[in-house]
Amino acid sequence: KAGVTQTPRYLIKTRGQQVTLSCSPISGHRSVSWYQQTPGQGLQFLFEYFSETQRNKGNFPGRFSGRQFSNSRSEMNVSTLELGDSALYLCASSLADRPKSYEQYFGPGTRLTVT
Amino acid sequence: EDQVTQSPEALRLQEGESSSLNCSYTVSGLRGLFWYRQDPGKGPEFLFTLYSAGEEKEKERLKATLTKKESFLHITAPKPEDSATYLCAVQAKTRGTPPGGSTLGRLYFGRGTQLTVWP
Repeated sequence: KAGVTQTPRYLIKTRGQQVTLSCSPISGHRSVSWYQQTPGQGLQFLFEYFSETQRNKGNFPGRFSGRQFSNSRSEMNVSTLELGDSALYLCASSLADRPKSYEQYFGPGTRLTVT
Repeated sequence: EDQVTQSPEALRLQEGESSSLNCSYTVSGLRGLFWYRQDPGKGPEFLFTLYSAGEEKEKERLKATLTKKESFLHITAPKPEDSATYLCAVQAKTRGTPPGGSTLGRLYFGRGTQLTVWP
């Protein structure tokens, strides 16, 4: 079974620009979560989507948004990029529809550099 | 507030020298505790899920255990290929519908233990 895929793998953007990252979950998984990983803060939760609905949201500004499509693929968008947004953005998918099905499987990440 | 603390931050072991990594947590109702391995520049790789105190899981040289306040990842006779950062995460039981929605899908991660195993 194919794992979680993320595109692009690397991005370089300029302050003020916006960016869209894409995530394809494991087949059959309806939950997609997004995390930001930086050396200073570690892994921080951005948001989770389940069946096209945002089910949970972390403490990030409104510049960070996401959506999920009917095929469970998800995108996250960051507008008005700041230098501090440079990070590894990780997507994880999960069944999350019954007890003991909440393991999250991560993709390889998108390395975003803001200059 | 839910918190996860891992210790030590870094650990250097000689090949074959067994040791344990610690993950202590405070969460209002544990749904599950998860261990991941992360290699540089890659996404975390799922290792184990533990759901209740007393539970144990094993995989090759790794064994994870869980109590009501902490989890241990025991590494028996490690090899250089076990070198990686090991992350612990917890998931809390939903608290209903607070602002922002339920906490159902959210993992709270520790900062990780960077393990180096030298020959």
